[in-house]
Amino acid sequence: EPEVTQTPSHQVTQMGQEVILRCVPISNHLYFYWYRQILGQKVEFLVSFYNNEISEKSEIFDDQFSVERPDGSNFTLKIRSTKLEDSAMYFCASSEEFQPQHFGDGTRLSIL
Amino acid sequence: ILNVEQSPQSLHVQEGDSTNFTCSFPSSNFYALHWYRWETAKSPEALFVMTLNGDEKKKGRISATLNTKEGYSYLYIKGSQPEDSATYLCASLSSNTGKLIFGQGTTLQVKP
Repeated sequence: EPEVTQTPSHQVTQMGQEVILRCVPISNHLYFYWYRQILGQKVEFLVSFYNNEISEKSEIFDDQFSVERPDGSNFTLKIRSTKLEDSAMYFCASSEEFQPQHFGDGTRLSIL
Repeated sequence: ILNVEQSPQSLHVQEGDSTNFTCSFPSSNFYALHWYRWETAKSPEALFVMTLNGDEKKKGRISATLNTKEGYSYLYIKGSQPEDSATYLCASLSSNTGKLIFGQGTTLQVKP
């Protein structure tokens, strides 16, 4: 069964550095998403992406964050000037229109 | 209700017991209600997508109902097995951009 893959599984970065989290969505899906879960808290929506543009973003998704689909397969989340509070599990998901979202295993981001 | 809320937060049952949990969600601007099963160290796996008031869906021993007018959904597990142990997440879709608002999850532990 096709699946969403995320790399790396764990990223440790110094505060202030930039990180890029990578995702390969399921190949025939057109809708892409990023979510995050801070330890002990709910899974939070960050951004949805369709037709090469952001369709909705949350209040969390400020100028520090950006997403890109650099080629036909990858979907990336870039976090600039990382802060301690950016430490979380980041999940990528993809879907067909109005269908369940398929999640990757997540990238655990630790900011030191 | 402004948020998606789930209860109980955790549940411990014996193998063979039937159990159910609740998801409450905003009934305004409702598009769909998603249920996911999330095992430790794995990615959330879609169980159901429910859209219509009165919807009932079933997958093996797991079933779910939906009341969009009052804003709640129940998930039932009949004859719980140890492999049902997981966190069950519900999420409300309130726009056509795919943005899911998650509850905090119900963690089920089934003892053999």
